[in-house]
Amino acid sequence: KAGVTQTPRYLIKTRGQQVTLSCSPISGHRSVSWYQQTPGQGLQFLFEYFSETQRNKGNFPGRFSGRQFSNSRSEMNVSTLELGDSALYLCASSQDLGYGEQYFGPGTRLTVT
Amino acid sequence: GQQLNQSPQSMFIQEGEDVSMNCTSSSIFNTWLWYKQDPGEGPVLLIALYKAGELTSNGRLTAQFGITRKDSFLNISASIPSDVGIYFCAGPLPNAGGTSYGKLTFGQGTILTVHP
Repeated sequence: KAGVTQTPRYLIKTRGQQVTLSCSPISGHRSVSWYQQTPGQGLQFLFEYFSETQRNKGNFPGRFSGRQFSNSRSEMNVSTLELGDSALYLCASSQDLGYGEQYFGPGTRLTVT
Repeated sequence: GQQLNQSPQSMFIQEGEDVSMNCTSSSIFNTWLWYKQDPGEGPVLLIALYKAGELTSNGRLTAQFGITRKDSFLNISASIPSDVGIYFCAGPLPNAGGTSYGKLTFGQGTILTVHP
């Protein structure tokens, strides 16, 4: 069974631009969560989607948004990029709601200049 | 902010040695997860624990869910060079509305270096 895939793997953007990252969960997994990883803050939860609905949201500004499609694929969008948004963005999928194990993709390395 | 305290922050060991790291919290967890992350990659799930007192092995790795449900440890026996990486503990933090399993809280990580 294929793992979680994320595209693109690397991205360079300039301040003020917006970016969209994509995640395809493991086949059959219906829950997708997004995390931001930085050296200073570690791994921080952004949001979780299940059945095309946002179920949980972390403590990030409204510039960070996401959505989930009927095939469980998910996208996250960051608008008006800031230098501090440079990070590794990780997507994780789990089988269902209330299922503790999450499986991570390789991440998208975003650099904002 | 971080809810899980992971120690040690880093370890430098010789190949063949055993390794032990742990994770503590002031909050009770219903699930403990241990991940390993290689540079530039996403975390890989090593072991999942669901019951207080549970001891689970995965090859040379052994993890335990503390009786108080506020701690967990991970042991690696007979370390090899490919054990190098960052090890994270994680769990869904229960809150007033119930446990949000999709929202994991992570420890700061333990950086493991293995000298051949």
